[in-house]
Amino acid sequence: DIVLTQSPDSLAVSLGGTATINCKSSQSVLHSSNNKNSLAWYQQKPGQGPKLLISWASTRESGVPDRFSGSGSGTDFSLTISSLQAEDVAVYYCQQYYNSWTFGQGTKVEIK
Amino acid sequence: QVQLVESGGGVVRPGRSLRLSCAASGFNFRSYAMHWVRQAPGKGLEWVAVISYDGNNKYYADSVKGRFTISRDNSKNTLFLQINSLTLEDTAVYYCATSGGNYFNCFDPWGQGTLVTVSS
Repeated sequence: DIVLTQSPDSLAVSLGGTATINCKSSQSVLHSSNNKNSLAWYQQKPGQGPKLLISWASTRESGVPDRFSGSGSGTDFSLTISSLQAEDVAVYYCQQYYNSWTFGQGTKVEIK
Repeated sequence: QVQLVESGGGVVRPGRSLRLSCAASGFNFRSYAMHWVRQAPGKGLEWVAVISYDGNNKYYADSVKGRFTISRDNSKNTLFLQINSLTLEDTAVYYCATSGGNYFNCFDPWGQGTLVTVSS
């Protein structure tokens, strides 16, 4: 199975600041056929199901604020939240869908 | 709007069985692959099972193979998860989600989940 390791496990950022979450895969999730990475990012708030933010490593979903951005390729990926808002407090997960489906352990984002 | 609503959770004794349901609306359910994902209290997300759009293909996580059965009724836009021989480790919120017309895609949307608590 592909193992995804997120870092850090938690971080506290000031309102208006920038949060960066990393996700490292145990093997590449890049499709050589179309040069797309099978890597997604989700936001989960307490008592709710996860919400898809980013697909294919960097494609922001419709309705997701542009302060959320995804980057990376192969085995190393990042989610960046710019201009952090109070409503961004949540746990964030990366997921690979290249070979079966696995998730990172999650990163908790709080306000400093 | 697109919606998934899970039900069927509750408190059950170890060794018993439970069937979870997921009612879909707002999209062409019969054309989409469907998944179950679970989350133990305070823990991360674990993919559990997937079923093809027509129900002919099913795959399971090794941790649940042989005890869990995923199925669907396209005439009722409903997904099911039969859980047998429940253990304490099955305690979790169970979510249904869709990956669209392709197994190997990300999940959108998800339901709000149904809590299964296994306790003696």
